[in-house]
This record gives sequence, C-alpha cells and structure tokens, in this order.
Amino acid sequence: SQQGEEDPQALSIQEGENATMNCSYKTSINNLQWYRQNSGRGLVHLILIRSNEREKHSGRLRVTLDTSKKSSSLLITASRAADTASYFCATDSNFGNEKLTFGTGTRLTIIP
Amino acid sequence: NAGVTQTPKFQVLKTGQSMTLQCAQDMNHNSMYWYRQDPGMGLRLIYYSASEGTTDKGEVPNGYNVSRLNKREFSLRLESAAPSQTSVYFCASSGYRGSYEQYFGPGTRLTVT
Repeated sequence: SQQGEEDPQALSIQEGENATMNCSYKTSINNLQWYRQNSGRGLVHLILIRSNEREKHSGRLRVTLDTSKKSSSLLITASRAADTASYFCATDSNFGNEKLTFGTGTRLTIIP
Repeated sequence: NAGVTQTPKFQVLKTGQSMTLQCAQDMNHNSMYWYRQDPGMGLRLIYYSASEGTTDKGEVPNGYNVSRLNKREFSLRLESAAPSQTSVYFCASSGYRGSYEQYFGPGTRLTVT
C-alpha cells in the first residue's frame, strides 16, 4: 500500500508563479524525500528532510514537514518551464531506513 | 561516471516468455533496488539488496527473481511473463550512511502481450 499520497494529482500554473504540492503519509517516519521525474525519465532526488526538521531550503525549493499531521509540502518558487515534471514524495518504511515508499505523484505543468 | 545504467530500454515479450533486466551502478553503492511504475500507482518496490549476496522482498515480488551478482550489478528476472507485468521498471542505488538518497536509472519499458 502507498505510504505517501500527493495532493493535488495535477497542477497547472503560469511561468513565474509559485507551485505548492502536498504529501500525506500514514506511519511514523525518519526521513521524507522529494523526487522529480521528467517524462520518460528516471527519478531525480531533490531534497531530504529529517523527522526532527521542520523546514528546509534548496535553491528555489522549500520543503516543510509537520510530523504531528503526518504531512509535508514542497514549494517551488518562481516556476520555470523546465520545472514541468511529476513530483513524488517518498518516506522510509517500517522495514528500515533505506527502503522508500513512494506516493502517486503530482503532475506539474508550467505554462509559458 | 555513468551513474545507474539499465538494459534494455524497451522490450516486448509474449506471455510465458522469460527475460532478465540488467542494472549496474558505478558509484560504489551498497544498496540496490528494483521498482515498477504503473500509471496512477507511483513506484512500487519489487526487490531490494542491502549488500552483495543479500536480497529482500519488497511490496510486489510475485513473479520476479533477482540476483545481486556483485556490488555493481543487480538483475531482475521474469521467469514466465504475464500481461500484468507490463510496466516501466526502474533500478536504483543508494549508499551514503545518514543520507538515503536514491539514484535512478533511465528505466526499461516492458510490454507483455
């Protein structure tokens, strides 16, 4: 079963706007990660946030984690056409920290 | 560095045929993974290998076998392909203690008719 569920399933915004996508999960975690997948390609790691962290930044990316609500959000600021992709959250599972369980993803389209 | 490589990129099989998907990484990673990705389902873990000589089942292992040939290579075998195994297969690796970032290959698109 899926540990993470992303919301919304699809999002279209104008270039330059900010994009926010959310992830909810069911059980306690040690880490939560976000990945990007361009069409027809493998996933690329974006950012990892640990359970004792509340917010993390990397370039135009901002990730928050609320362990009390079992949720995370990914904010992409000043979006670009190249940000068009699917975004997945992934959580470490009960089997151990190195196994990840992926959500179903948010399909982001940036309109030039 | 090539990172994670997978062969083949595309494959069409008939029901009952067998094949092996190959994966290799050149990052000296200990852990390697096989996932399948189906529309609307995200990625699901098929098998996992924490180190050379060890393998472990993931969420959807039925119909598959794996071999961790050495530290670099991790293969996935379909002994008798079924239409339900039509999917995109991704291999990944990770290796840094304290950081469980996974590196993915480009994928193999498999169709079983």
